[in-house]
Amino acid sequence: GENVEQHPSTLSVQEGDSAVIKCTYSDSASNYFPWYKQELGKGPQLIIDIRSNVGEKKDQRIAVTLNKTAKHFSLHITETQPEDSAVYFCAARETGFQKLVFGTGTRLLVSP
Amino acid sequence: ETGVTQTPRHLVMGMTNKKSLKCEQHLGHNAMYWYKQSAKKPLELMFVYSLEERVENNSVPSRFSPECPNSSHLFLHLHTLQPEDSALYLCASSQDEGDGYTFGSGTRLTVV
Repeated sequence: GENVEQHPSTLSVQEGDSAVIKCTYSDSASNYFPWYKQELGKGPQLIIDIRSNVGEKKDQRIAVTLNKTAKHFSLHITETQPEDSAVYFCAARETGFQKLVFGTGTRLLVSP
Repeated sequence: ETGVTQTPRHLVMGMTNKKSLKCEQHLGHNAMYWYKQSAKKPLELMFVYSLEERVENNSVPSRFSPECPNSSHLFLHLHTLQPEDSALYLCASSQDEGDGYTFGSGTRLTVV
């Protein structure tokens, strides 16, 4: 089955800096890669996703890139703000049924 | 109400108790999921229901028993749990061929 690895486990940046979180996956047939943000006391919330027919997607200050050959995808947050502080999870959808396999999460801390 | 609603938000139970977690989705989705989230571990898929039929059971101990009476409701019945079962239990829903999951806020379970 699919295996997703995520790095780093923690990331501290100053407000205004950029943050990058990287994930690798094992199943070359996986075709959908969402990113989730989880704030304290809440469930994960979808923030951006990308499909395997696209190399990059952007939504305001966040972007995701996908390299199918290398089987890795990354989340980029520019001009970080304190409210970006949260745990971020990447995921890959296994082929077949609609099942997501998640990475271990990255705790992002943005200091004012 | 909109989205995915989970009740209760917090639950403390003894090892000999029987309790149930409830999940309700108001999105018209066809698939529902139970995930377990423990500290420093990836989100662990427990059960998947598609069109009210269980399609996956990820080697979950029998002390966890799911029930999906209709496409909008999902339950997780708990009995004779162990302290290591203490975790955040997340419910999610999705369209069969659609995009990522929509998660509820979870039930924080503590087994004493």
